[in-house]
Amino acid sequence: GAVVSQHPSRVICKSGTSVKIECRSLDFQATTMFWYRQFPKKSLMLMATSNEGSKATYEQGVEKDKFLINHASLTLSTLTVTSAHPEDSSFYICSASQPQGASWEQFFGPGTRLTVL
Amino acid sequence: DAKTTQPTSMDCAEGRAANLPCNHSTISGNEYVYWYRQIHSQGPQYIIHGLKNNETNEMASLIITEDRKSSTLILPHATLRDTAVYYCIVRPYSGAGSYQLTFGKGTKLSVIP
Repeated sequence: GAVVSQHPSRVICKSGTSVKIECRSLDFQATTMFWYRQFPKKSLMLMATSNEGSKATYEQGVEKDKFLINHASLTLSTLTVTSAHPEDSSFYICSASQPQGASWEQFFGPGTRLTVL
Repeated sequence: DAKTTQPTSMDCAEGRAANLPCNHSTISGNEYVYWYRQIHSQGPQYIIHGLKNNETNEMASLIITEDRKSSTLILPHATLRDTAVYYCIVRPYSGAGSYQLTFGKGTKLSVIP
């Protein structure tokens, strides 16, 4: 159980275009999903926390108008990189949170490799 | 602030035990120690977590010192597929802050044939 998928697994786009990445929890309902970004040879950096039916909470330095997050259902969250530029090229990873007893555990998707030309 | 300190890299011979240390000297009483690993170009994978007792599952063992200021993740018989970056993370088990995971730089474990 606790499987999280992402689509697409990799995408190449031209500078100035927008790209949408989907994150799905396949076998559980996730009230909270998280979006991370990872640059080469760096650690994961949290971008935003997404709660179903409400606005996402963005980390400091992450532009909410550039990285649009929608969490319309308990099994799907989307991240749209608007007007992408080469510096947005990165590995984007989502996670979905599921209660485990009194705690909340995160289960990660396989990631999406974005390359902006 | 990842609140943990890990060696940058380690090597381990295939078939031998891999012992990965982590220092978390400022850990609070309600914080657990979690271990995740990330194989190249994949999402992180949960390994194990513990509070103060040693823990074991099918993947690994976690040894936490009595003062809880450090811990060691043990992979008993490392294989080539265990080559990955291993992250040690402390976080509250519940309540405020329990949702988020703060990743440090981790330890890159290379299992050598």
